[in-house]
Amino acid sequence: GAGVSQSPRYKVTKRGQDVALRCDPISGHVSLYWYRQALGQGPEFLTYFNYEAQQDKSGLPNDRFSAERPEGSISTLTIQRTEQRDSAMYRCASSPLQGLAISGNTIYFGEGSWLTVV
Amino acid sequence: AQSVTQPDIHITVSEGASLELRCNYSYGATPYLFWYVQSPGQGLQLLLKYFSGDTLVQGIKGFEAEFKRSQSSFNLRKPSVHWSDAAEYFCAVGEFHGSASKIIFGSGTRLSIRP
Repeated sequence: GAGVSQSPRYKVTKRGQDVALRCDPISGHVSLYWYRQALGQGPEFLTYFNYEAQQDKSGLPNDRFSAERPEGSISTLTIQRTEQRDSAMYRCASSPLQGLAISGNTIYFGEGSWLTVV
Repeated sequence: AQSVTQPDIHITVSEGASLELRCNYSYGATPYLFWYVQSPGQGLQLLLKYFSGDTLVQGIKGFEAEFKRSQSSFNLRKPSVHWSDAAEYFCAVGEFHGSASKIIFGSGTRLSIRP
């Protein structure tokens, strides 16, 4: 597709279940980002890949959260043993080049996956 | 660590009136600054960005922003708002460590338009 695609768009899960959120970046984009956005808040950085390498995972809240991008394209964010506080929108973004300091490089965001833990 | 402050949680302006959304950043060096807009049910769209050069930056949809180093500010402006401008607006700063980089967002300002 033309943009960053995320699935599922909406997910309701029971507390304690594992959830996998998928991100399909724009074709050819090198960098991929995951953000979390709670209601009424700005997006909060979770993790970031260049190709298949996870460059920064400092924003992952705890070890229940993990992300992978094994072939440098599609990425999966996995939340194990979900808790109610995990309820939020999870946004994926991609950029064509490594490094946002490069002139002309821009991050493109997907529409997000809404996660509700009940 | 870099941070962004948007002091106004919610602003209401009349259609046709001018708009200014405030943004203050904390960053040791020359910042890379962004404004994004989020309309209901849609993704984040880049309005404009500042990397260097002219401190007055023009963006899409008639928006502009001015970088003022002395005030650590990057306020977003529009001379005349339209009802379709009602949305959430996020100011952001780029954080860089070698080849790794990420964008740090503020908490957002919700804009409502009065008919």
